[in-house]
Amino acid sequence: GAGVSQTPSNKVTEKGKYVELRCDPISGHTALYWYRQSLGQGPEFLIYFQGTGAADDSGLPNDRFFAVRPEGSVSTLKIQRTERGDSAVYLCASSLTGEETDYTFGSGTRLTVV
Amino acid sequence: AQSVAQPEDQVNVAEGNPLTVKCTYSVSGNPYLFWYVQYPNRGLQFLLKYITGDNLVKGSYGFEAEFNKSQTSFHLKKPSALVSDSALYFCAVRYNNNDMRFGAGTRLTVKP
Repeated sequence: GAGVSQTPSNKVTEKGKYVELRCDPISGHTALYWYRQSLGQGPEFLIYFQGTGAADDSGLPNDRFFAVRPEGSVSTLKIQRTERGDSAVYLCASSLTGEETDYTFGSGTRLTVV
Repeated sequence: AQSVAQPEDQVNVAEGNPLTVKCTYSVSGNPYLFWYVQYPNRGLQFLLKYITGDNLVKGSYGFEAEFNKSQTSFHLKKPSALVSDSALYFCAVRYNNNDMRFGAGTRLTVKP
C-alpha cells in the first residue's frame, strides 16, 4: 500500500485480557519496527524485524509482549494479560534496509486498558 | 549506548520569527540523525536527516538542521515560523544497527 497501515486505530480492553495489534508495512520494505509511545513521551523502541525474523527484541518490556511477522510483511504485536500500564499508543514503522534510511510510521493504535 | 536529548519540553515563538528546537546526541563514531514531527492523533512524519557531507541539512516544509560535531548537536531551525508548524518534534539517532532511538520530544507552539 501507499503507507503503513495499523489496525485497529483504537482498542479498549479489560485488564487481564489478550490483545493483538496489526501492522501492514509499505510493500517492499524489509525492515519493520514496533514502538510504544506513552503520553508526553517519545517513542520507545520495542522490536525490530528484518524479513521474518526478529533482529532485535531488546525493547520488549517483559514476556507478556510478543511479536511475529511470519511472511515478512504483516506483523502482529501480541500482549497477554494486559495491565493498565500497557495503555499507550503503539506505533509501527517500516523502512528499506540500511542505517541511512528514514522510517515511515503508521498512525498508531491507541490501546487503553481499563 | 546511543541516545539523544531534547532539553526543552516546550518552545513558544511568534509567527514570522525564527525558531530553533534543540537536540544533542551521545554516540561514539558517526551518528545518523533525524528529525520527525507529530501532529495530533497522527503518526510521526519524517522531516530531515543527516548522514554525511554538508553539515546544514534542508528538509520538508522549510525546515533545516545543522550538524555540529564538536558540540554534539543537531538543532532544528526555520527562518520564519508559521502557526501550522505547531506540533510535537522529535530528534532521533541511529548508529551501527537498525533501531532508531528518540528523544522525549519538544512541543512547538507558534502564536499568531
